[in-house]
Amino acid sequence: SQQGEEDPQALSIQEGENATMNCSYKTSINNLQWYRQNSGRGLVHLILIRSNEREKHSGRLRVTLDTSKKSSSLLITASRAADTASYFCATENQAGTALIFGKGTTLSVSS
Amino acid sequence: EPEVTQTPSHQVTQMGQEVILRCVPISNHLYFYWYRQILGQKVEFLVSFYNNEISEKSEIFDDQFSVERPDGSNFTLKIRSTKLEDSAMYFCASRSQGSSGNTIYFGEGSWLTVV
Repeated sequence: SQQGEEDPQALSIQEGENATMNCSYKTSINNLQWYRQNSGRGLVHLILIRSNEREKHSGRLRVTLDTSKKSSSLLITASRAADTASYFCATENQAGTALIFGKGTTLSVSS
Repeated sequence: EPEVTQTPSHQVTQMGQEVILRCVPISNHLYFYWYRQILGQKVEFLVSFYNNEISEKSEIFDDQFSVERPDGSNFTLKIRSTKLEDSAMYFCASRSQGSSGNTIYFGEGSWLTVV
């Protein structure tokens, strides 16, 4: 299976703190993507990092990718209550015909 | 911003009934997908569709499932004879090109409850 697997499964922090979520995958990838899902809602694309990139930033998001360890991390800095959501990493299957999602990390940010 | 739209947002159906979930992908997109998410579980890939045919399907996508693009805008998922375990949120998605690195955009989902 190519699936990304996130850890921790759940994370609770205070507003202003940083949140770090990790993702591991099994096979070689072309890119890895992070998505966010608010409860009962659709998936929103956050950021994509290509296999030849090591780090990428977007606003308060920082993603790293270590292809030698087959892992990625998503860091949300200065978290807000509105960041409360589930976060999923996703990798493409080898044929490039589907994104395969991990189980997700549920982040809870309390004010 | 263009978006993927899905209908219905919620449907309750009797076990054994047929269900059709509808999706309008983003207009210039060529690749279409269905995913499902059982409550509290992860998002599971069902099927991808390009050039009027299935590109890839998962083990979940058995003979009870079918997809169709009946016109230039709609993309439908049909479940022929629903089972209790089909209760889930079904997400439609689309992207402009199949090449690696293009963002897949998701709809808000159709919540299916089979009773």
